[in-house]
Amino acid sequence: DAMVIQNPRYQVTQFGKPVTLSCSQTLNHNVMYWYQQKSSQAPKLLFHYYDKDFNNEADTPDNFQSRRPNTSFCFLDIRSPGLGDAAMYLCATSRDMGYEQYFGPGTRLTVT
Amino acid sequence: EDQVTQSPEALRLQEGESSSLNCSYTVSGLRGLFWYRQDPGKGPEFLFTLYSAGEEKEKERLKATLTKKESFLHITAPKPEDSATYLCAVGGATNKLIFGTGTLLAVQP
Repeated sequence: DAMVIQNPRYQVTQFGKPVTLSCSQTLNHNVMYWYQQKSSQAPKLLFHYYDKDFNNEADTPDNFQSRRPNTSFCFLDIRSPGLGDAAMYLCATSRDMGYEQYFGPGTRLTVT
Repeated sequence: EDQVTQSPEALRLQEGESSSLNCSYTVSGLRGLFWYRQDPGKGPEFLFTLYSAGEEKEKERLKATLTKKESFLHITAPKPEDSATYLCAVGGATNKLIFGTGTLLAVQP
């Protein structure tokens, strides 16, 4: 089955220690997104890639970076995690902008 | 400003007790309204896309409807396995999805 895969499912990191989360897709979609979701809140868009074009949300902290080395993979780098960055990180894909998005299972990040 | 409001925040039903969830929205140039189901600790699962007022879609016990101002997710004879958070999102002129905060549904046997 075509799907969105995220690794790891759970990640524990120390305050200030860089961490990378990964996402891969077999849907061959053009657009990949990263969202942050905290408890009982709506997913918050951090950035998206349309093919190789990177689009950053205006309020996404500089601490968050992303890479998309090819169509299938996308990475979220948190350079210096703070306690406030503890959240569920969701990767999603869509065939084009404005279409339904398909989400991965998420990575739960804990910062100690 | 594009905005989505979902109500109620939480809903507790008995098994078999039908009800509806509401999603009110304001958006510039509606491209689509999307319903998702999210189980605890998991990513949202896509359910439906509605594109224009009057459109309806069904899947098992779920039926989604759309007007120019709101969408309803009707749940007929729910079962405990329907318990989840249901998220509504709209796509507008920005082509990004604006999510509501969801309705937490609990169905008791």
